[in-house]
Amino acid sequence: DSGVTQTPKHLITATGQRVTLRCSPRSGDLSVYWYQQSLDQGLQFLIHYYNGEERAKGNILERFSAQQFPDLHSELNLSSLELGDSALYFCASSVGRADTIYFGEGSWLTVV
Amino acid sequence: GENVGLHLPTLSVQEGDNSIINCAYSNSASDYFIWYKQESGKGPQFIIDIRSNMDKRQGQRVTVLLNKTVKHLSLQIAATQPGDSAVYFCAENETGGFKTIFGAGTRLFVKA
Repeated sequence: DSGVTQTPKHLITATGQRVTLRCSPRSGDLSVYWYQQSLDQGLQFLIHYYNGEERAKGNILERFSAQQFPDLHSELNLSSLELGDSALYFCASSVGRADTIYFGEGSWLTVV
Repeated sequence: GENVGLHLPTLSVQEGDNSIINCAYSNSASDYFIWYKQESGKGPQFIIDIRSNMDKRQGQRVTVLLNKTVKHLSLQIAATQPGDSAVYFCAENETGGFKTIFGAGTRLFVKA
């Protein structure tokens, strides 16, 4: 167990809908990262928050947004969902900005 | 831009043999490298890391080698076991950086 908690573990939703994925980082970690992994694909960096502030953006679609709250948990919002958004979404956390990151077990999103 | 890639998408080894997984990176400013193991349906797990002031680091049955001259990273697994079957990712970051970039991954099959 990495200490990073993600909910929900599985989610099935229809095209056009909106979902929110939630992440609680390891105790003491200030950084939260979101990654997307499609079937048999690598890990695509989406976004990084450090202590509540957005610090880096990767290949994140405009339909997606995220935030980190004062208690350091984070949410990833996915809207106007398309079939191609079906993927495993990972949250990861680290103490600082360039430290080892530790991953949660992921949220499986299926868009039908 | 930053890119971390892998030479071999799949690797099949006999149980008990040594495995070597390779990785190339292109960002010369990267100074922190990590190897992760991802088992089916799980989040990536930290295996071992290395900073650019080192060229070799050993863990339990694993060794990471870093060749900065040719921007090459490798993971060596000694006496490979069936439980080592997984996808292995290399990742890079740089001091002060805000994102960890992952390579495409190598699938390791261990034959009993």
